[in-house]
Amino acid sequence: DAGVIQSPRHEVTEMGQEVTLRCKPISGHNSLFWYRQTMMRGLELLIYFNNNVPIDDSGMPEDRFSAKMPNASFSTLKIQPSEPRDSAVYFCASRALAKNIQYFGAGTRLSVL
Amino acid sequence: AQSVTQLGSHVSVSEGALVLLRCNYSSSVPPYLFWYVQYPNQGLQLLLKYTTGATLVKGINGFEAEFKKSETSFHLTKPSAHMSDAAEYFCAVSPFTGNQFYFGTGTSLTVIP
Repeated sequence: DAGVIQSPRHEVTEMGQEVTLRCKPISGHNSLFWYRQTMMRGLELLIYFNNNVPIDDSGMPEDRFSAKMPNASFSTLKIQPSEPRDSAVYFCASRALAKNIQYFGAGTRLSVL
Repeated sequence: AQSVTQLGSHVSVSEGALVLLRCNYSSSVPPYLFWYVQYPNQGLQLLLKYTTGATLVKGINGFEAEFKKSETSFHLTKPSAHMSDAAEYFCAVSPFTGNQFYFGTGTSLTVIP
C-alpha cells in the first residue's frame, strides 16, 4: 500500500486566498484525522471522521476552516480566507477502526504570506 | 480525561550513549500507548505501541518502552544512540474504547558525534 497520500506537499499563498488540502487515506481504513503542527502549539487535532462522518470538529479553529470526506478514499481541508497565522504543517492520518494505530501522511507545509 | 506529558522538550546524547525519553500519562481507564518518531520534513511514523500483555514493548530501530502502570509512565529507551536517531519523538495515548489519540508536545533528540 502507498500509505496516506497528501497533496500538495508545499503550498504558498497570499492572505485572503482559498486553500484546499487533500488527503487519500490507506485503503480499507475507516477513520481519518486532520492535524495541524506548529512550533508554538505542537500537534493539534482539528477534526476526525469515522466512516466518512465527522465525529469531532472541536479542534477546528474558526469558521474559516472546513473539512469534508465525500467518500472513503478522499478528504479535503479547506481554509477560506487564509491568514498568515494559518501557516503550519497539516497532517492527515488514517486508521482501521479494528486496529488502534494511526498512520500519517507526509504532510502539507502551508505558508500564507 | 486523557493527557500526555513529555519531560524535556530537548534531549542531547552522545553517539553510543543511552537514550531515555520520558513520557507520563493520565488516564481514567487503561489506555493504549504509543511512541511515534518524526524525521525532518516527514510525517509521524509509529515506533512502537503497547496495548495489552507484556509491559516491555520492542519497536523498530532498537527502541523499546516499558509500561509502568503504578508510575503511569511509558518511557522510551535505546541502549546505544546512533546519529540517525536524531528526530522528534512523540508519545501518545488512546483509550481503548475511544477514537482519539492524545499527543505529547514532543521531545527533540540530538545525537552528538
